[in-house]
Amino acid sequence: GNSVTQMEGPVTLSEEAFLTINCTYTATGYPSLFWYVQYPGEGLQLLLKATKADDKGSNKGFEATYRKETTSFHLEKGSVQVSDSAVYFCALSAYGGYQKVTFGTGTKLQVIP
Amino acid sequence: DTGVSQNPRHKITKRGQNVTFRCDPISEHNRLYWYRQTLGQGPEFLTYFQNEAQLEKSRLLSDRFSAERPKGSFSTLEIQRTEQGDSAMYLCASSPPPSANRVPKNIQYFGAGTRLSVL
Repeated sequence: GNSVTQMEGPVTLSEEAFLTINCTYTATGYPSLFWYVQYPGEGLQLLLKATKADDKGSNKGFEATYRKETTSFHLEKGSVQVSDSAVYFCALSAYGGYQKVTFGTGTKLQVIP
Repeated sequence: DTGVSQNPRHKITKRGQNVTFRCDPISEHNRLYWYRQTLGQGPEFLTYFQNEAQLEKSRLLSDRFSAERPKGSFSTLEIQRTEQGDSAMYLCASSPPPSANRVPKNIQYFGAGTRLSVL
């Protein structure tokens, strides 16, 4: 079946540091890939997505590139802010997001001033 | 557009009681999804509807769980004879039809969830 593996947290960084959160996946076919973010006390929000190999999703300074050869979708940001502190979930959908989404376990990011 | 609304936000119940949660999707979203999230884990798919039809159910959805979307708008998730293992955050999401104009289509929009605690 489909699965997503992402690096365990928590990840603690100083403000303006570079962020990488690793994510790899297992799926049949050509899934769509997503990063969702969950701020404390709030629901999941889509951060970015990519629907085919070599696509780069980007939003709010975050980027991730769909790498089919390594089955990876690592999340990066060049300079994190305190407001980026949240839990980040890597996810995939085998049907372009129209059916069920399979999530990783989440990585908690804490950015300190 | 007020987003996906879930009620109640919190529910505390005693083991063996029945509970029901409600989800109101974004207007004109024809697909509605239920997920369960336990502490420290990612959301796990439970079931989804296209309009009023329930198209897929996870094996996580035991006989004690039932979901409905009678008119293709709001949905309810009922858990009968609750157990302590049912304690979790229950998330609802919705997505627009492929034919929708001027909106990203293949994205699920999540509500804030209903946190269930079974004592």
